[in-house]
Amino acid sequence: RKEVEQDPGPFNVPEGATVAFNCTYSNSASQSFFWYRQDCRKEPKLLMSVYSSGNEDGRFTAQLNRASQYISLLIRDSKLSDSATYLCVVNGGWYGTASKLTFGTGTRLQVTL
Amino acid sequence: DTAVSQTPKYLVTQMGNDKSIKCEQNLGHDTMYWYKQDSKKFLKIMFSYNNKELIINETVPNRFSPKSPDKAHLNLHINSLELGDSAVYFCASSQASRGTATNEKLFFGSGTQLSVL
Repeated sequence: RKEVEQDPGPFNVPEGATVAFNCTYSNSASQSFFWYRQDCRKEPKLLMSVYSSGNEDGRFTAQLNRASQYISLLIRDSKLSDSATYLCVVNGGWYGTASKLTFGTGTRLQVTL
Repeated sequence: DTAVSQTPKYLVTQMGNDKSIKCEQNLGHDTMYWYKQDSKKFLKIMFSYNNKELIINETVPNRFSPKSPDKAHLNLHINSLELGDSAVYFCASSQASRGTATNEKLFFGSGTQLSVL
């Protein structure tokens, strides 16, 4: 089983739609979780952190289910500018002050008119 | 005043050559990383340094040698380049420290696209 698994998509949705991505992780000891966004040919950027059961930021809601070892990202009222690849990221452990973040392969979202 | 800057942005070279990628961060972070993103977009950690000291060294061929002259710089030297080394290499930094989860955020450079011919 991969450490972090995501559906690669693409998810093609119309503007204004609500879309949800799921991600599963294998390390039950993981304590922190993140969603990063990566635009084509750009670097990943942090979208949201998920430390307890969930987190909401405007149109974006991330939820964590430790029992089932999955994280979800919900995007409401999708905008064209939301088109990107969404990377699920899990902290696989600490090495001194470095966190070993494990990235999923990403879910591609394409929002259309 | 880019936070994490890496050069060059593009690197095209022949098999067997030796090349370096430079990275600098002006965020005052203690921890820096090299990640590799392959053609399938899989982003994988290679190395991490904290204040010039190597602390994470994943299963990476020893042709790859990171060097950190100070905590603001982490360079990557690659010897005897192979076709399979073609990828995008991202430098990143964080002010991560155990117990302060909000500081786990990674700041990435814009990436170096390496093409080995």
